[in-house]
Amino acid sequence: EAQVTQNPRYLITVTGKKLTVTCSQNMNHEYMSWYRQDPGLGLRQIYYSMNVEVTDKGDVPEGYKVSRKEKRNFPLILESPSPNQTSLYFCASSLSSTGYHQPQHFGDGTRLSIL
Amino acid sequence: AQSVTQLDSQVPVFEEAPVELRCNYSSSVSVYLFWYVQYPNQGLQLLLKYLSGSTLVESINGFEAEFNKSQTSFHLRKPSVHISDTAEYFCAVRTAGGTSYGKLTFGQGTILTVHP
Repeated sequence: EAQVTQNPRYLITVTGKKLTVTCSQNMNHEYMSWYRQDPGLGLRQIYYSMNVEVTDKGDVPEGYKVSRKEKRNFPLILESPSPNQTSLYFCASSLSSTGYHQPQHFGDGTRLSIL
Repeated sequence: AQSVTQLDSQVPVFEEAPVELRCNYSSSVSVYLFWYVQYPNQGLQLLLKYLSGSTLVESINGFEAEFNKSQTSFHLRKPSVHISDTAEYFCAVRTAGGTSYGKLTFGQGTILTVHP
């Protein structure tokens, strides 16, 4: 089954404790992206990747890091999480980086709470 | 840069009534338009998309959206809603080229609540 898998689905942690949210897709997609969803703000892009070893900032990259060492994986790293990063996070992928008409496939989300 | 505005944050409606969820966008270049739906505790799923051609696009579950270039709108409609349509709906825009490589811009979301 074609899917985007995020782990963990839920996490409660404390300020300053490094964490990683993993994202994996099994569709051989070139393009991957991370979003955060906050009430009243919709989804905002954090980082995206056009292909292996190619990443770039989205609209709200501060406090986050990403890497794309393999095509299927795109982890999101919070080096020193803070309470304002409490949010619902989504990973998404699409087939081609230049296929702007292609829809994105989303994971089920990761709900992070930073205390 | 492109932007998307969903004009209603919440839309309550009774079952079998018609509904319209409004979406306006702005962009200096041509765009592709999407509606995504998010059911409770799930990720986003593509509902329908406008790429080119006919300005009226339909989904398999009875929703339709009409692209209006002069009004820069892409409103979502359904003539008769069901309880199962209760969800949050997101309008999204992607530029057809340009320097915003692959960026998908979302509206703020509209929560549709269908009451029995």
